[in-house]
Amino acid sequence: AQSVTQPDIHITVSEGASLELRCNYSYGATPYLFWYVQSPGQGLQLLLKYFSGDTLVQGIKGFEAEFKRSQSSFNLRKPSVHWSDAAEYFCAGALGDSSYKLIFGSGTRLLVRP
Amino acid sequence: NAGVTQTPKFRVLKTGQSMTLLCAQDMNHEYMYWYRQDPGMGLRLIHYSVGEGTTAKGEVPDGYNVSRLKKQNFLLGLESAAPSQTSVYFCASRTPGQGAQPQHFGDGTRLSIL
Repeated sequence: AQSVTQPDIHITVSEGASLELRCNYSYGATPYLFWYVQSPGQGLQLLLKYFSGDTLVQGIKGFEAEFKRSQSSFNLRKPSVHWSDAAEYFCAGALGDSSYKLIFGSGTRLLVRP
Repeated sequence: NAGVTQTPKFRVLKTGQSMTLLCAQDMNHEYMYWYRQDPGMGLRLIHYSVGEGTTAKGEVPDGYNVSRLKKQNFLLGLESAAPSQTSVYFCASRTPGQGAQPQHFGDGTRLSIL
């Protein structure tokens, strides 16, 4: 079955530390992949997307993500976390014949220690 | 830039009452979506529409109906609200074509069913 998995429910990092949020997908071909961020009480904002070409994609707010076909992963990274990055992060994929629909992971809540 | 606007932002209903959630987008997008967000479950697709006058079921359509009479509006109806429908509802829209086009989200409607 097609799916997107975020194995970490919560992650806590110290301000200034590096961050990596994991995302794995299950699909036979290369999907279209997205990372969204949701601040409390807000909607989802697009951070970045991958659909072809360079496997390292740059997004807004200093985030980047690397697509690894061999690992079926699309992990989100940031070299230095700011307190304002505390939010919930969702990985999503548009897979195959139903690519007009998104399949979301269950989300990872990021907590930032001062 | 209005983008995707959802009304109302908050609502409390009693079991058995009906209501309609309105989503309006000003980006001339063909595709529109309704999701519900519950803790630990990410976003789940309720219904979607690929054009004016068309609708289709998503992952969790039971208990909901939708209409897309105008391209810019997508309505979600609850005919007889149940406590299990307590959730945060998000509307999204995007341009047509392959799955590389990102979805744009509203700020959500927080609905409580007592």
